[in-house]
Amino acid sequence: AQTVTQSQPEMSVQEAETVTLSCTYDTSESDYYLFWYKQPPSRQMILVIRQEAYKQQNATENRFSVNFQKAAKSFSLKISDSQLGDAAMYFCAYRGTGNQFYFGTGTSLTVIP
Amino acid sequence: GAGVSQSPSNKVTEKGKDVELRCDPISGHTALYWYRQSLGQGLEFLIYFQGNSAPDKSGLPSDRFSAERTGGSVSTLTIQRTQQEDSAVYLCASSPDRGRTEAFFGQGTRLTVV
Repeated sequence: AQTVTQSQPEMSVQEAETVTLSCTYDTSESDYYLFWYKQPPSRQMILVIRQEAYKQQNATENRFSVNFQKAAKSFSLKISDSQLGDAAMYFCAYRGTGNQFYFGTGTSLTVIP
Repeated sequence: GAGVSQSPSNKVTEKGKDVELRCDPISGHTALYWYRQSLGQGLEFLIYFQGNSAPDKSGLPSDRFSAERTGGSVSTLTIQRTQQEDSAVYLCASSPDRGRTEAFFGQGTRLTVV
């Protein structure tokens, strides 16, 4: 089975600053999809951004962007101009040729006013 | 509704009782997933349905846990003889078959066993 690793259990960032959350994964597949989810205290999982492995261009959604390094099997999330509402648990996820999703253990992000 | 719906939102039960948790996926989504999340922790995979069959139920922690899905739609997760360690949030997600589409999550059921 594929594994997804988030090595930062907790991170903090000053409001308006930039923070990067790390994610690595292990797979032998060449075709797959990667996702970042946000889970605020309301516990609703919200998709932040997705990346298709066949696309070399890094995905961007407003203040959120990824650094996808396929050879290194790395998929980090950069949050620019951090806002108080960005405080949440962030999960990295992998979906391969099967239907299963594999999640990392999460990174708890605190935004300091 | 447009999203994944789970009921109840919260459930308090006495140790030893059976509970049923319900998930209504997004219409047309063939894949359905159950996860368990303890306080402040990550997602623990329980079971995955493709249509009405469960190709992967390797995450069910014991034979007290079972799940079914009928009509390719609604799923029920049943926990028999609940224990205090079963206390957690149970999340359901659905997704179209394969591809780039993400899993869409419900808001979860918070189960407390007293």
